[in-house]
Amino acid sequence: AQSVTQLDSHVSVSEGTPVLLRCNYSSSYSPSLFWYVQHPNKGLQLLLKYTSAATLVKGINGFEAEFKKSETSFHLTKPSAHMSDAAEYFCVVRTLAGGYQKVTFGIGTKLQVIP
Amino acid sequence: NAGVTQTPKFQVLKTGQSMTLQCAQDMNHEYMSWYRQDPGMGLRLIHYSVGAGITDQGEVPNGYNVSRSTTEDFPLRLLSAAPSQTSVYFCASSYSGGRADSPLHFGNGTRLTVT
Repeated sequence: AQSVTQLDSHVSVSEGTPVLLRCNYSSSYSPSLFWYVQHPNKGLQLLLKYTSAATLVKGINGFEAEFKKSETSFHLTKPSAHMSDAAEYFCVVRTLAGGYQKVTFGIGTKLQVIP
Repeated sequence: NAGVTQTPKFQVLKTGQSMTLQCAQDMNHEYMSWYRQDPGMGLRLIHYSVGAGITDQGEVPNGYNVSRSTTEDFPLRLLSAAPSQTSVYFCASSYSGGRADSPLHFGNGTRLTVT
C-alpha cells in the first residue's frame, strides 16, 4: 500500500521565521517524491522533487526538502518565510511497479504567514 | 507554451445534466489524469491515461467517463451530474516512458457546482 501523511493541516509562522512542513510516506517501491504549492484559486505548481539522487533537494523560492529513508520522511523547509509563501502545500508520492503508475497526494498543509 | 489548458473555468449544472470538461496539453505528454479536489481530502484521482487509446480508473471513477483519442486531449464526461460531484477538477499531465520521476503539470482547474 502507498500513503502520504502530512502531519499538520495548518501551520502559522511569522514573516522572517523558518518554515517546516512535515510529510511522511509509505511505499512498497522506490518512490519519487514531490512538493507542490497551490495559491488560492490557482492550479498546483511544482516546488521541488526527489528522484533518488541527492537526498537534500533545493526548489524554487528558497524552499528545500530532505529525503530521509530511515524515517520515511520528506519534510519541506524554508529559512525565512515571506508573505507570498502563504498558500497550501501538497506532498506527493509517485511509484512505478509492473508498468503501473501510482500517484498519491497528501491532504495538504495550509501555511499562514503573519506580518 | 500553453502547458495544460482546462475549459471551462466555472460551470453550474442541474442534477441529472451531463457535460464534458475539456483538457488539452501541448507538451507531448503520454500520461494524463483527472483529479477532484475537495476540502480536507487533498486531490483524488478519477481516471488516468498512459497514452492514446489507453485509460484506467483511479480512486473515485464512479459517475465519470474518459476517452483518449489523441495524445493532446483527455476530456472528462459527467454522465448524470449529482450534487456530490460539486468540486474543483484538475487535469494533469507528465512524461511517462516507464518512469515515475516526471513531475505532473497541472491546469488551472474547473470549479463545478451541481444544484
